[in-house]
Order: sequence, then C-alpha cells, then structure tokens
Amino acid sequence: GQNIDQPTEMTATEGAIVQINCTYQTSGFNGLFWYQQHAGEAPTFLSYNVLDGLEEKGRFSSFLSRSKGYSYLLLKELQMKDSASYLCAIMDSNYQLIWGAGTKLIIKP
Amino acid sequence: IAGITQAPTSQILAAGRRMTLRCTQDMRHNAMYWYRQDLGLGLRLIHYSNTAGTTGKGEVPDGYSVSRANTDDFPLTLASAVPSQTSVYFCASSDSTSPTDTQYFGPGTRLTVL
Repeated sequence: GQNIDQPTEMTATEGAIVQINCTYQTSGFNGLFWYQQHAGEAPTFLSYNVLDGLEEKGRFSSFLSRSKGYSYLLLKELQMKDSASYLCAIMDSNYQLIWGAGTKLIIKP
Repeated sequence: IAGITQAPTSQILAAGRRMTLRCTQDMRHNAMYWYRQDLGLGLRLIHYSNTAGTTGKGEVPDGYSVSRANTDDFPLTLASAVPSQTSVYFCASSDSTSPTDTQYFGPGTRLTVL
C-alpha cells in the first residue's frame, strides 16, 4: 500500500530552527513536494525534490533520500507567520500526488 | 482573474440536494484536480483531468462527477449530497508538461451537508 507519515504537531520558538520529517512508501516515485497551508487557506507550494540531497530556498530547505524513503523540511529563523501546517506529498508512478496528513507547526514567542 | 478561483466560498446543503462546485483557472494549465480535505486526513483526490475533454477517477470518486468542456473550467457535481460529503473542497491545476508538474490550488469551498 501507499503510506506517508509526518508528525501530527510540532512546537518551536520564534527565531529557532525546526525540522519536519516525512517518511513514505509509495508505488513509484516521481518527486516529493512540500506545501504550506495556513489555517482556513489553500496549500501553497514550497519545494520540490526529485534527486537525493538538499534544496535550499531562503529560510526553507528540503532534503530527500530516496533509498531511505525519507525527506525533511528545515525552517530557519522561525517567524510567527510560519505557524501553519506543512504537507508532504509524493508523486507516484501514475503522476498523481499522494498526500500526508500534514504537520501542524506552532510557533511560540 | 489571476490564478485559480472557486465558487461558492461556503455552502450549507440539505441531504439529497444536487450541488455544483465551480472552478476556473486562467493559467492555461492542461491538468486540473479536485480534492477533499478532512480533519486528520491528507488531501484525497476525487477526480482529475489531464486535458480538456478527458477526466479520470481519483481515490474517492463515488458520489461525485466532473466535466472538462474547455481548458479553464472544471466543475464538480454532487448528484445527491450526503452528510459524509461535508468537507473542504480544493480545486488545483498544473502544467503537466513542466519538469516539476507543480499543482496550484484555489481558495477552497467549505461544504456542509445536513
């Protein structure tokens, strides 16, 4: 079967660094996506990984290890506006996105 | 229009009624998708369309139908709504010819079926 696991909730402090993990087992792999979703809003695209390694984009970085079925999203210099859910999604062999349930990140002052 | 829009924003519907959720994009994306999002679950694909004139079933298609008469519009119809269809519905689109095939989402429709 297909499975994507993320922690349900995490808490971090403003200005700190947080790492959100995602592990997956899917039928095929054509890329991994991270989206941000603020409460009551639509998901918005953050990052895409298809090759192993780290992709850096400003305060956000995303890492992928295909052999381990593992990714993480790293958020640096946390700001209050980073309080949101972070969704991990895998593009499977049919080029459809399979979504994790999301990690709710709470930022405290 | 800039991007992807959905209507209505929210709706309360009596069980057994028919309802169409509208979705329009102006990005000329070939692919469009309908998802539902329920608390504690990931986004689940209802139906998709890879190009105008074609549609396909996703993970949870039962009770829903779609059409894709042109590139821009992708309505989702609930023929006879049931309370289990209470959810937040997101429409998305992508350029599936691009290397990343990133999906972009509309603002969502919050539907309550009583």
